[in-house]
Amino acid sequence: DAGVIQSPRHEVTEMGQEVTLRCKPISGHNSLFWYRQTMMRGLELLIYFNNNVPIDDSGMPEDRFSAKMPNASFSTLKIQPSEPRDSAVYFCASSLDLRGGGDTQYFGPGTRLTVL
Amino acid sequence: GQQVMQIPQYQHVQEGEDFTTYCNSSTTLSNIQWYKQRPGGHPVFLIQLVKSGEVKKQKRLTFQFGEAKKNSSLHITATQTTDVGTYFCAGTSSNTGKLIFGQGTTLQVKP
Repeated sequence: DAGVIQSPRHEVTEMGQEVTLRCKPISGHNSLFWYRQTMMRGLELLIYFNNNVPIDDSGMPEDRFSAKMPNASFSTLKIQPSEPRDSAVYFCASSLDLRGGGDTQYFGPGTRLTVL
Repeated sequence: GQQVMQIPQYQHVQEGEDFTTYCNSSTTLSNIQWYKQRPGGHPVFLIQLVKSGEVKKQKRLTFQFGEAKKNSSLHITATQTTDVGTYFCAGTSSNTGKLIFGQGTTLQVKP
């Protein structure tokens, strides 16, 4: 089985542009997580979905960030407008979540975002 | 809110030396998970501990879950260069059921 798939793997954009990151979770998994990783702040949970419904978006930094999960096999994280401080590696992870957020998470390869 | 703290943040060892990272939670955990992230890679699940006082081994890696289920440790015996990476603990809160990641310990091994 394929693991979590993320695209693009690398994104370089200019400040003010819209950025859309994509994720396909492992088939059958019902929870999906978006993380951001930087040297300064480590691994931060941005938002997580359970059965396509956003459960906890308290980690979303500000209104410029939005996430959607229109179906069980696809999610997007959008940044509009992007800023240089958004530069980071963004990971998507999925899990077969039977207990509301605590099961083993399988991470995708990440998207390395650079905002110039 | 609940916090999971890991120490040390960084550790440099000579190949062959032992290494330990510690994880502490402000609240009781229902389980603790450990992940490893190689440089340039993504976190990969290593193991899960559930029972109070549980000890599990994977070759040179020994994982422990504290009696109070609020702390855990990962010990690597005789480190090798392949052990290089960042080790994360992640605890599931008994109250909320949420998985909270620690900040990670980055291990460097000098050959």
